[in-house]
Amino acid sequence: DVKVTQSSRYLVKRTGEKVFLECVQDMDHENMFWYRQDPGLGLRLIYFSYDVKMKEKGDIPEGYSVSREKKERFSLILESASTNQTSMYLCASSLGNPKTQYFGPGTRLLVL
Amino acid sequence: AQRVTQPEKLLSVFKGAPVELKCNYSYSGSPELFWYVQYSRQRLQLLLRHISRESIKGFTADLNKGETSFHLKKPFAQEEDSAMYYCALVGTDSWGKLQFGAGTQVVVTP
Repeated sequence: DVKVTQSSRYLVKRTGEKVFLECVQDMDHENMFWYRQDPGLGLRLIYFSYDVKMKEKGDIPEGYSVSREKKERFSLILESASTNQTSMYLCASSLGNPKTQYFGPGTRLLVL
Repeated sequence: AQRVTQPEKLLSVFKGAPVELKCNYSYSGSPELFWYVQYSRQRLQLLLRHISRESIKGFTADLNKGETSFHLKKPFAQEEDSAMYYCALVGTDSWGKLQFGAGTQVVVTP
C-alpha cells in the first residue's frame, strides 16, 4: 500500500510567519504534487516535482515555494503567510505511468 | 486550456435511487479521465479511471468524446456513498498533472 504522510494535520500560524509543510511518500514515486483544497474551487495545483531538485509551477504558485532534496520528501514553503492562504493543503505522489495519484491526509492551515 | 466542470455542488438522493454526477471537460487532445472520492474524515482516493473500464463500488463512468463528458453513475445509491466526488483530467502533454473540477457533494438519505 502506498503511504503518503504529511507532517501536521492542523497548523495555526500568524500573518507574516514562514511556514513549512512536509510530505513524505514511501513508494519511490517520481512525481509529487502540492494542492490546496477550497470549498467550491476543488483542488488547485500549487507546485509539482518530477524528480529530485526539479520543480514546476502549477496553477497558483504565487506566495509559495517548494523544495525536493530527496526523492521521498517534498516540502511546501509559505515565505510570508497571509490570511488568504488559510486552506486545506494536500500532498500527492505518482509514478510516471500509470498516472494515478495517491494523496496524503491533508494539513489544515489557519493563518491569523 | 484544459478545464473540468462539475455543474452540481450538491446532490441529495434517497437510498436505493439512481445517482448520476455530471462531469464535462474541455481539452483539445485525448485526455485521461478520473473520478476521485473523499469520504468524511478520510483522504482523497481514486474511485475509477476511464481507461480501466471497470465498475468500482457499483459506480461506472463512460467517456463520451463527442459530448466531452465523463458522468459517474450508480443505479442504486447507498448511504455509504455519501462523500465528495471530484472529476479530474490528465492531458497527454503533462507529467500526470491532474486538473480537478470543483467537486460534487453527494448526500444519500435513508
